[in-house]
Amino acid sequence: GAVVSQHPSWVICKSGTSVKIECRSLDFQATTMFWYRQFPKQSLMLMATSNEGSKATYEQGVEKDKFLINHASLTLSTLTVTSAHPEDSSFYICSASGTVDNEQFFGPGTRLTVL
Amino acid sequence: GESVGLHLPTLSVQEGDNSIINCAYSNSASDYFIWYKQESGKGPQFIIDIRSNMDKRQGQRVTVLLNKTVKHLSLQIAATQPGDSAVYFCAESLNQAGTALIFGKGTTLSVSS
Repeated sequence: GAVVSQHPSWVICKSGTSVKIECRSLDFQATTMFWYRQFPKQSLMLMATSNEGSKATYEQGVEKDKFLINHASLTLSTLTVTSAHPEDSSFYICSASGTVDNEQFFGPGTRLTVL
Repeated sequence: GESVGLHLPTLSVQEGDNSIINCAYSNSASDYFIWYKQESGKGPQFIIDIRSNMDKRQGQRVTVLLNKTVKHLSLQIAATQPGDSAVYFCAESLNQAGTALIFGKGTTLSVSS
């Protein structure tokens, strides 16, 4: 089956710094990638949708200048959390689609902790 | 068992019992539904899906039922095992290219042996 990886799997950073999270489709070309955020004991909430070569579409309430998304190739999308604050601490999960039936394949997630 | 049609945040069962997890979805235009299993600290894992032109679909030990009239989805797990312990989410989609999934509230399934 299709495999999606994320790097890093966890990261701890100081408040005010920026953190980049990578999402890669390992064995297929992902025309669309999605970024979700999950707070403890809550559901996954969609942050943004990105199509290769286009600007990402952000969900209402998600600051595009704070969560920078780049989808420059068919196998890589990056999410950069700029000027991170403790309230940005969360589990960030990406998914990718690009196969014939548009099935989404999820990455293993990245745990971000901002001190 | 539990009350059909009622979403419960937690469900505790004994090993070998059948489990029923319920979900109410929000968009009557949704065309595609998926159940995911999420273990602690991991991403969602696909279990089974169903399209809106069906009302039942069976997999290995799992069955998904779809009631479009009341916008309700259920996941039945037969002979529940300790390894089934996890959080289960339903998700809906318009099934168009590039359409994101909308996740429902999760149910934490605990299986005791």
